[in-house]
Amino acid sequence: KQEVTQIPAALSVPEGENLVLNCSFTDSAIYNLQWFRQDPGKGLTSLLLIQSSQREQTSGRLNASLDKSSGRSTLYIAASQPGDSATYLCAAVDGSSNTGKLIFGQGTTLQVKP
Amino acid sequence: DTAVSQTPKYLVTQMGNDKSIKCEQNLGHDTMYWYKQDSKKFLKIMFSYNNKELIINETVPNRFSPKSPDKAHLNLHINSLELGDSAVYFCASSQAGQRINEQFFGPGTRLTVL
Repeated sequence: KQEVTQIPAALSVPEGENLVLNCSFTDSAIYNLQWFRQDPGKGLTSLLLIQSSQREQTSGRLNASLDKSSGRSTLYIAASQPGDSATYLCAAVDGSSNTGKLIFGQGTTLQVKP
Repeated sequence: DTAVSQTPKYLVTQMGNDKSIKCEQNLGHDTMYWYKQDSKKFLKIMFSYNNKELIINETVPNRFSPKSPDKAHLNLHINSLELGDSAVYFCASSQAGQRINEQFFGPGTRLTVL
């Protein structure tokens, strides 16, 4: 059974710092991994999707990597800004079925201080 | 030009009542999902429909009944509401039920059962 874990649960950094959010999964047979951002009281915004055949994806200041063999993905945020403050969720598409079911981690709540 | 929309945004009701949440997507996707986010912010899949056919039904009480009148709509009806049903319910959609495809989420419906 696929399980997704995110560490740390919360992170506070000063503005301008580069940071890495971690995501691990127990079953390497994933089909893809998606990173989301959730602002308080809001829905989920898709940030990046990495297909199982890919190693990384980039969008602006964000870079997500995927290492299936070690069961890990990281989200790198460059030059963090206060506007990056939010909860970041990673989710793996379950590899045991072909239904596209997303298995979520618990999230990392990021605070970027001005 | 909202992609995935849900109504209502907030729903406050008494225990034992029956309520419905509606979801619509204008992305042309043919797969839609319902997720539940509990008080600890953990997101879990409930149901998924592909071309109006149920493809995912997690161990959800049968008081919850999804209905998909067409590919663009997936509604969630809940009978005999209980205190533990209080949560945020998110609708999502993706294309063709393909595992590699990105899921897009609605803004959520916050259900409070008193």
